[in-house]
Amino acid sequence: GAGVSQTPSNKVTEKGKYVELRCDPISGHTALYWYRQSLGQGPEFLIYFQGTGAADDSGLPNDRFFAVRPEGSVSTLKIQRTERGDSAVYLCASSQGQGGRNEQFFGPGTRLTVL
Amino acid sequence: AQSVTQLGSHVSVSEGALVLLRCNYSSSVPPYLFWYVQYPNQGLQLLLKYTTGATLVKGINGFEAEFKKSETSFHLTKPSAHMSDAAEYFCAVSKEYGNKLVFGAGTILRVKS
Repeated sequence: GAGVSQTPSNKVTEKGKYVELRCDPISGHTALYWYRQSLGQGPEFLIYFQGTGAADDSGLPNDRFFAVRPEGSVSTLKIQRTERGDSAVYLCASSQGQGGRNEQFFGPGTRLTVL
Repeated sequence: AQSVTQLGSHVSVSEGALVLLRCNYSSSVPPYLFWYVQYPNQGLQLLLKYTTGATLVKGINGFEAEFKKSETSFHLTKPSAHMSDAAEYFCAVSKEYGNKLVFGAGTILRVKS
C-alpha cells in the first residue's frame, strides 16, 4: 500500500516569503506528526495531531509556524516570514493510533531552503 | 524531559565485522525505545522497537538491540556487517502517554570492503 507522501520534495524560497508543506498520511492513520531535521542532527518534534486537533504543539519554535489538519487526513505545515534558519528537511509521520508504542511511518521529507 | 545520546557520530567497520552502535537515554518514566535507519535521500525506516516484555529485540536485516534498564542503554548490534548496511542510524525514545519521538543526533555507519 501507499506510504506517507510529502510535497513538494524540494522547496527553495526567499527570506520573508510564506511557504506551505503538505503531508498525505497512510490511509486510516489517525495520528500525524511533523518533525524538522537540520543538517547533522536528528529529527526534532514540531507538532502532533490526533484526528483534526493538535494534541501537542510544544515543538513549534515560534508563532511563524502553524499546522492544520482540517479533515483528519492531509496536513499542511505553514511557515510565515521565512528565515534562513528555517532551512531544514521537514518530515511527516503517521501512526495508527496514539500511544508511544505505535510505530510511526515516515515520509521522504520536504527539503526547504531559504535564501 | 527525555533525551537520547548516541556515542560516536561516525562508526567505520569492515565488511563481515561486528556492528555496535551505542545509545543511552534518560527518561522519568519507563520508555519505549526505537532504532530507525535512514538511507541517502530516503525516509526513516523502523529497524526495531522495545515496548514491553523481552529485553532483547530482534529487527529487520539481522539487527538486534538489548534494553538494559540499569545502564539506561539500548545499543544496536549486528554480528556481521554488509555493505548495504551503510546508512545513518537514529535511536529514539517515547513515552506511553506522549507520542512524540525524541531522537539522538544519529550515527553514520560506514562499511569498508
